[in-house]
Amino acid sequence: GAGVSQSPRYKVAKRGQDVALRCDPISGHVSLFWYQQALGQGPEFLTYFQNEAQLDKSGLPSDRFFAERPEGSVSTLKIQRTQQEDSAVYLCASSLGGSAGNTIYFGEGSWLTVV
Amino acid sequence: KQEVTQIPAALSVPEGENLVLNCSFTDSAIYNLQWFRQDPGKGLTSLLLIQSSQREQTSGRLNASLDKSSGRSTLYIAASQPGDSATYLCAPYYGNNRLAFGKGNQVVVIP
Repeated sequence: GAGVSQSPRYKVAKRGQDVALRCDPISGHVSLFWYQQALGQGPEFLTYFQNEAQLDKSGLPSDRFFAERPEGSVSTLKIQRTQQEDSAVYLCASSLGGSAGNTIYFGEGSWLTVV
Repeated sequence: KQEVTQIPAALSVPEGENLVLNCSFTDSAIYNLQWFRQDPGKGLTSLLLIQSSQREQTSGRLNASLDKSSGRSTLYIAASQPGDSATYLCAPYYGNNRLAFGKGNQVVVIP
């Protein structure tokens, strides 16, 4: 497709379960970002990749969160031992250039509910 | 932490009225600022990107102004339509590989 694709769109996980969220950026986009959006809030930065290199992971809330982009295209955000406070929408975004200073294209998000 | 405030948090207007959405940011050292639209249950769509050297940017019925020195941006939507109902998010960029988002202006346009 032409846009950023995320899967699954909806995920219900039991507390303590591991989850993996996938992002297919727009083909050829160098930069890839993950954001977390709680209900009624703006998105909060999690991590940033330039091609396969994870240049900034300072927004990841704990060591239970891990992201990778091994071949510089598809990215996976993994959350281990999920907690209720992890319930949020996880948004992936990409941009053509090598920074967040360009037009950024967002996917529709993966809605995670931890019960 | 760079704080972004959007006022009003929510507003309802009758169809045809002009919309004025305000964004203020505490750190004026921005590279640029983007306005996004978010529909319920959806991701964000970039509406306008305005560089720090620009005063305004226009696209159709949308116009964004930027006053960098005072830390303010305003999004104007002319002749509002019911399809404009959404949440509008302001996001300044500080050159640190991330956008700083406000909580958004939730807009309802009443037919």
